[in-house]
Amino acid sequence: DTGVSQNPRHKITKRGQNVTFRCDPISEHNRLYWYRQTLGQGPEFLTYFQNEAQLEKSRLLSDRFSAERPKGSFSTLEIQRTEQGDSAMYLCASSLGTAKVNEQFFGPGTRLTVL
Amino acid sequence: SQQGEEDPQALSIQEGENATMNCSYKTSINNLQWYRQNSGRGLVHLILIRSNEREKHSGRLRVTLDTSKKSSSLLITASRAADTASYFCATDGTGTASKLTFGTGTRLQVTL
Repeated sequence: DTGVSQNPRHKITKRGQNVTFRCDPISEHNRLYWYRQTLGQGPEFLTYFQNEAQLEKSRLLSDRFSAERPKGSFSTLEIQRTEQGDSAMYLCASSLGTAKVNEQFFGPGTRLTVL
Repeated sequence: SQQGEEDPQALSIQEGENATMNCSYKTSINNLQWYRQNSGRGLVHLILIRSNEREKHSGRLRVTLDTSKKSSSLLITASRAADTASYFCATDGTGTASKLTFGTGTRLQVTL
């Protein structure tokens, strides 16, 4: 399978616990993105990597959230001290973009439920 | 925050009919993309149209872009039950191409 993969697909946790999600992008893609989607809404941008460098972070990404892409391949998104408001679908996307074309391909998402 | 809105929010048609969805956005763009999302799943990329293009086709899909009105439309011809999904438009801004900003989506229901 050469698409974007995400693990786990579902995560249920108790409020206050830490969770970590993983994203494996399409292998030749140098850009990797994280988005969050709540019910009935479109995805909202969280953060973006080009290779291993984190180039942009949304104001949605509070200090409880941290993302890494240590070797410029897979990425992890960690949420510390989860809150019920963190319940959402977390989507990862990757692209092999030039400055003018930014076709992003999405993974299946990780659905987080915080009890 | 959402870039703009899709219109209508929900659309119900019968198989074989055409479905048209509209998207409006607020700021200047490099490209506009349309995605499909089946319930509870990830997004599937449908088509990308550049800011200097006015129309693009892919199979049963036709996308138009009017940058003067900051709007786009997606036409699905000869719809099928399998087209039932939510459809989102997404834009990336001028300058560096990075994040996508999504609209609120159109929920399409195609009935037999």
